[in-house]
Amino acid sequence: SQTIHQWPATLVQPVGSPLSLECTVEGTSNPNLYWYRQAAGRGLQLLFYSVGIGQISSEVPQNLSASRPQDRQFILSSKKLLLSDSGFYLCAWSIRGDQPQHFGDGTRLSIL
Amino acid sequence: KQEVTQIPAALSVPEGENLVLNCSFTDSAIYNLQWFRQDPGKGLTSLLLIQSSQREQTSGRLNASLDKSSGRSTLYIAASQPGDSATYLCAAPPIRNTGFQKLVFGTGTRLLVSP
Repeated sequence: SQTIHQWPATLVQPVGSPLSLECTVEGTSNPNLYWYRQAAGRGLQLLFYSVGIGQISSEVPQNLSASRPQDRQFILSSKKLLLSDSGFYLCAWSIRGDQPQHFGDGTRLSIL
Repeated sequence: KQEVTQIPAALSVPEGENLVLNCSFTDSAIYNLQWFRQDPGKGLTSLLLIQSSQREQTSGRLNASLDKSSGRSTLYIAASQPGDSATYLCAAPPIRNTGFQKLVFGTGTRLLVSP
């Protein structure tokens, strides 16, 4: 069966520090991968998606970037965090673009 | 641009009640309509997925309906239990030429079922 892992579960970072959140999927190959952010009082917003290694599409302009160095690994990064980057970050995968997405447990990011 | 709205934002009911959560969307050309559950501090769990050609889907005490023409979906929960307490999210991905399913979420309904 397929599983998705995100870490860390929680993270507290100072403004201006770098960020690296990791997501890995097991039990499937060549999945579509997604990063979402859930800010307080707002709905889930798609940040990035990837249909293959090295292929990243950004949905909204922002201070973050994503990379997919391996087939089942998706990384969310920032060189300098802003206060507005605080939120709950969720990774998801699907077998194809038109198939249901399955979510990880998320990372709670607090910026001080 | 797809916009998804969920009402009510919060709902509190006593155990045993039947209840309905509402979801509306502006773009009726959708792949499907999905309902998720989110427990506090956790990720999303898929509950039901209704294909665009379907009218409803059922799973246990849950029944979701879809009316594309009016841009509405409802999630019906029968005989609610305290374990049903969570935030319920709907997502309506609009059809795009890329074939990629971009989930557009509502802000959710926070449900509290008291014993």
